[in-house]
Amino acid sequence: ETGVTQSPTHLIKTRGQQVTLRCSSQSGHNTVSWYQQALGQGPQFIFQYYREEENGRGNFPPRFSGLQFPNYSSELNVNALELDDSALYLCASTPGGTGGLETQYFGPGTRLLVL
Amino acid sequence: KQEVTQIPAALSVPEGENLVLNCSFTDSAIYNLQWFRQDPGKGLTSLLLIQSSQREQTSGRLNASLDKSSGRSTLYIAASQPGDSATYLCAAPDSSYKLIFGSGTRLLVRP
Repeated sequence: ETGVTQSPTHLIKTRGQQVTLRCSSQSGHNTVSWYQQALGQGPQFIFQYYREEENGRGNFPPRFSGLQFPNYSSELNVNALELDDSALYLCASTPGGTGGLETQYFGPGTRLLVL
Repeated sequence: KQEVTQIPAALSVPEGENLVLNCSFTDSAIYNLQWFRQDPGKGLTSLLLIQSSQREQTSGRLNASLDKSSGRSTLYIAASQPGDSATYLCAAPDSSYKLIFGSGTRLLVRP
């Protein structure tokens, strides 16, 4: 059974650029959640996808968008990057559609640095 | 609105000591409370999930308790080891099932 994987592991971008982060969910899981974790802070919920539809969103602007594919893998896109977007981006998968009610299985994260 | 707080932010103990990590939450109508471990620069590993109907959960040297009336959860680590050094995070889902995390307690177990 393959765990949650994320790519790339590290990324450096400049302000104003766009970035796409990828996540493959654990086998058998149809729900993916994305989190942003700033240094020294706990993760903050960005949004969740269940069976290719967004079914929950945190307090993030529209330039944060996502996608889930038929195989339940997911992408996080961030447009017009700002310095404050520098963080560790985590995705987590669960087998059902109720996100926070289930045990979440996290990937290793993508470290994004915006210069 | 659910808010989760963890105090202290950092803790240093000698090897072999039993220790307690604290987690507070504001909304007692809690579905569950989850504890995670995070090694530096890595993802989170789920340790324990306590359902709202449970008082505690145990896994090996770890024991987590939940007291909804006081808005508190504790993670007890028995006979701590240097390998337990990590950041420990607690989280609770809000009314729309989004997980709300505390800022974590950074634990250092000294040999």
